[in-house]
Amino acid sequence: EDQVTQSPEALRLQEGESSSLNCSYTVSGLRGLFWYRQDPGKGPEFLFTLYSAGEEKEKERLKATLTKKESFLHITAPKPEDSATYLCAVPYNQGGKLIFGQGTELSVKP
Amino acid sequence: GAVVSQHPSRVICKSGTSVKIECRSLDFQATTMFWYRQFPKKSLMLMATSNEGSKATYEQGVEKDKFLINHASLTLSTLTVTSAHPEDSSFYICSASRVGQPQHFGDGTRLSIL
Repeated sequence: EDQVTQSPEALRLQEGESSSLNCSYTVSGLRGLFWYRQDPGKGPEFLFTLYSAGEEKEKERLKATLTKKESFLHITAPKPEDSATYLCAVPYNQGGKLIFGQGTELSVKP
Repeated sequence: GAVVSQHPSRVICKSGTSVKIECRSLDFQATTMFWYRQFPKKSLMLMATSNEGSKATYEQGVEKDKFLINHASLTLSTLTVTSAHPEDSSFYICSASRVGQPQHFGDGTRLSIL
């Protein structure tokens, strides 16, 4: 069964304290892995798409990496404005449906 | 980046009322739109997939007569919650995509049924 698991569920960091979020997936035939950011009361905002093991994408303080079994979202020197829930998702059929992980709620304190 | 507009952002209404939520892709033609429901502190639960000009495909356990979806054009899909009851209160989110592109999400609709 296709599955996406994120860890930790919640992460509290001090401003400037770098860390990583994990997304483990089990899917037959990976057709991409997506990272989104969701602020409270808002819809998810697209961050990255990764397609193959070894691929990396960067955006400001965020860097996403992909292996054959998991993806990491590295946050370097985070700021309070990086506080949000980060979701990863993988497609599970040709129609583009996504399976979402449960998300990691990141809180960055000044 | 791609912009998806969802309206209204918040609805409060009495039990038994039907509520319509609109989802528009503003700067691209969406071949597929998706409707999700999200409970507090939970991830997104896919309700249905909608392709322009064809009937929506509903996920298992989602009542198609309760949640009516219309996808009349490549830029507009609507979700109507019919005869809403308190248990239908939730955060509803739409997304739009085109072939080979990631889904882009609206900002959601907070539905509260009294």
